[in-house]
Amino acid sequence: EAQVTQNPRYLITVTGKKLTVTCSQNMNHEYMSWYRQDPGLGLRQIYYSMNVEVTDKGDVPEGYKVSRKEKRNFPLILESPSPNQTSLYFCASSLSISSETGHEQFFGPGTRLTVL
Amino acid sequence: AQKVTQAQTEISVVEKEDVTLDCVYETRDTTYYLFWYKQPPSGELVFLIRRNSFDEQNEISGRYSWNFQKSTSSFNFTITASQVVDSAVYFCALKGDFGNEKLTFGTGTRLTIIP
Repeated sequence: EAQVTQNPRYLITVTGKKLTVTCSQNMNHEYMSWYRQDPGLGLRQIYYSMNVEVTDKGDVPEGYKVSRKEKRNFPLILESPSPNQTSLYFCASSLSISSETGHEQFFGPGTRLTVL
Repeated sequence: AQKVTQAQTEISVVEKEDVTLDCVYETRDTTYYLFWYKQPPSGELVFLIRRNSFDEQNEISGRYSWNFQKSTSSFNFTITASQVVDSAVYFCALKGDFGNEKLTFGTGTRLTIIP
């Protein structure tokens, strides 16, 4: 089944404890992205990657890191989480930025993160 | 910069009524793409439709229809004969042309269908 998976789905952690949220897609998509969803703010893009080893900042990159060493994986790293990073996080992927049909983004199920 | 505005924060209608969700966008790109996503109470994001800026034809899919008006920079979504299963948060989103890969979302409209 074609899908985007995220792990963990739920995470409670404490300030300053490094964490990684994994994202994997099995559709051979070139483009991957991370978003955070906060009440009243919709979804905001954190980072995106147009292909392996190519990443760029979105609207709210502060406090986050990403890497794209393989096409299928795009982990989100919080080196020193803070309470203002408590949010619902979504990973997304799409086929190709140059393809007519590639502009639809498929979303993972979401990761609810709480930083105490 | 690009922007999507969904001015309706919450809407409640009685089942079987029609309802329209508004979406107004801003972009400097001449080619762009508009999307609607549904987020049911379970939390996942479900793709509903993509519209290219060079295709102004309205689209109908069952009880759903979309009205794209380039002149007013709007991409409104209408649900006809609403059902309780339509209760969800609906997001409108905008992506720019090749090279502008940011997908900008509106703040969403929470739709509640009252049985």
